[in-house]
Amino acid sequence: AQKITQTQPGMFVQEKEAVTLDCTYDTSDPSYGLFWYKQPSSGEMIFLIYQGSYDQQNATEGRYSLNFQKARKSANLVISASQLGDSAMYFCAMSLEANTGGFKTIFGAGTRLFVKA
Amino acid sequence: DSGVTQTPKHLITATGQRVTLRCSPRSGDLSVYWYQQSLDQGLQFLIQYYNGEERAKGNILERFSAQQFPDLHSELNLSSLELGDSALYFCASSPDGGRIYEQYFGPGTRLTVT
Repeated sequence: AQKITQTQPGMFVQEKEAVTLDCTYDTSDPSYGLFWYKQPSSGEMIFLIYQGSYDQQNATEGRYSLNFQKARKSANLVISASQLGDSAMYFCAMSLEANTGGFKTIFGAGTRLFVKA
Repeated sequence: DSGVTQTPKHLITATGQRVTLRCSPRSGDLSVYWYQQSLDQGLQFLIQYYNGEERAKGNILERFSAQQFPDLHSELNLSSLELGDSALYFCASSPDGGRIYEQYFGPGTRLTVT
């Protein structure tokens, strides 16, 4: 079954420290995309980072990096130098090609991150 | 600002009614996706359109329908509304070619069914 699992409902991190948010996925499709979104309390979904299944290098976007371990089917998000503004809900997602030529996206349940001053 | 716009921002209606949510994708994006976010179901993919054609379907109820118009804006129609349809409805768009898995979300429409 195609599934995204985020096992940490909530995480605390001290300001300026790094934090890793866990994500594992399950699919038998060879081609897929993995990404992370941030949802602050205001409700909007903010795209953070993307990793294609065939990408050899781990994706990085500023303070965000995606630790992609294909054999373990994990796509953990690492946030370096946490800031108070990083406090939000974080969603891991997987996009797969449908047999109709489109793309279906599956989201995890999310991890709520609290950054402490 | 992602460049994706959604209207209205909030909508309050009664059970049994019908509503239409509107989405305009980012300039140049041909794909539009609709999602429902509720407390009990989380974020659920509903449907994808590409350049006017339906391309993928997720957990969309038969009471719900969508379409994408020639100017690429999309509408999600929800009918015979039930209390359980109360949710945040997101539209997202993605670029053609390249990193086609990337999706950029609009601000969402919060629907409350009373």
